[in-house]
Amino acid sequence: AQSVAQPEDQVNVAEGNPLTVKCTYSVSGNPYLFWYVQYPNRGLQFLLKYITGDNLVKGSYGFEAEFNKSQTSFHLKKPSALVSDSALYFCAVREEQAGTALIFGKGTTLSVSS
Amino acid sequence: DAGVIQSPRHEVTEMGQEVTLRCKPISGHDYLFWYRQTMMRGLELLIYFNNNVPIDDSGMPEDRFSAKMPNASFSTLKIQPSEPRDSAVYFCASSLFRGEKLFFGSGTQLSVL
Repeated sequence: AQSVAQPEDQVNVAEGNPLTVKCTYSVSGNPYLFWYVQYPNRGLQFLLKYITGDNLVKGSYGFEAEFNKSQTSFHLKKPSALVSDSALYFCAVREEQAGTALIFGKGTTLSVSS
Repeated sequence: DAGVIQSPRHEVTEMGQEVTLRCKPISGHDYLFWYRQTMMRGLELLIYFNNNVPIDDSGMPEDRFSAKMPNASFSTLKIQPSEPRDSAVYFCASSLFRGEKLFFGSGTQLSVL
């Protein structure tokens, strides 16, 4: 069975500092990995995905994520945080095989202070 | 395209009443998903459809929950009878292909008193 874990409920960073939001996953085969962001009272919005290829994936709003197969991790990163990045971030995974859907982590609240 | 459209945005009802949530996916998308979001359990997959056919409903909590997709442009999630523990935000999402990104609606905030 597939699963995804986000070990931190909240991450606090100062504006201009780099940020990392952690995610680890468990799947039987090859993973498809995603990051989504949710702003208050809104639905989730897609940030980026890893299917295959380069381990460093670049996405929207300057975010990137690094796939690490040996550590089964897919951490979200940004070199310089903005106050407007404050939101709830979800990591999601599904197995490559047919018949499975995206499973989401519990989410990590990112708070960027000015 | 207007995106995924859900209605109503807010629903307040009393325990025991029937609740129907509605979703219009993005035109041309073959996959439709229903998720439930709570503080305690996060975002849970309830059911998903491919070409209007339910593929996996293992996340539906119990028989009180049912979902239908009578055509490519409309889906409903029904709770009958509703209970206070059903209070949550219910999201509908659609995608063009199964491996592609999901587009989420704005959600329905359900409160069962």
